[in-house]
Amino acid sequence: SAVISQKPSRDICQRGTSLTIQCQVDSQVTMMFWYRQQPGQSLTLIATANQGSEATYESGFVIDKFPISRPNLTFSTLTVSNMSPEDSSIYLCSANVRVGNEQFFGPGTRLTVL
Amino acid sequence: GQNIDQPTEMTATEGAIVQINCTYQTSGFNGLFWYQQHAGEAPTFLSYNVLDGLEEKGRFSSFLSRSKGYSYLLLKELQMKDSASYLCAVVDSNYQLIWGAGTKLIIKP
Repeated sequence: SAVISQKPSRDICQRGTSLTIQCQVDSQVTMMFWYRQQPGQSLTLIATANQGSEATYESGFVIDKFPISRPNLTFSTLTVSNMSPEDSSIYLCSANVRVGNEQFFGPGTRLTVL
Repeated sequence: GQNIDQPTEMTATEGAIVQINCTYQTSGFNGLFWYQQHAGEAPTFLSYNVLDGLEEKGRFSSFLSRSKGYSYLLLKELQMKDSASYLCAVVDSNYQLIWGAGTKLIIKP
């Protein structure tokens, strides 16, 4: 298993600013992912964070808006750039130890953009 | 395209049994997960099926039929704390997780 922590847990930001969310796993994991979840909705995958290379983005998400870093096997960051109120959501980090195995989730970061 | 279908919302009574269905159409299949998510919290793992049949784990059981592209999650002896959303997710041929929209389960006393 893996225990995942995220920070900040929540933030309120002004339009046009950027926020970086950190994700720390207590053990080395193969895959790390970033999701967005609107209240009452299911999870939307933003990107897969690849260690040592550029992240793999899903359709509708681009690196300029959501730059991602993964410097090692236990840590990743997601930046939400040039924020607008439409970016208000919960951002979740997840990881799995082996490809195809269950994903463990961090507690999420609740972002509100004014 | 890839598609996961599950009911949007279900209501059941405390102490009863409820079955949440999930049908899927994906490019390949490498397993199916059920997750539980309480409001305001992250999803937590409930079960994993990769072979046909029933997997039982306490009050929760999960069933899979690969030929029918169908799974269900069975919850017995429902408790108020079981009120949550239940997410079905399929691992496709690229080992990507395809998520359903979730089923909100409301338990009434």
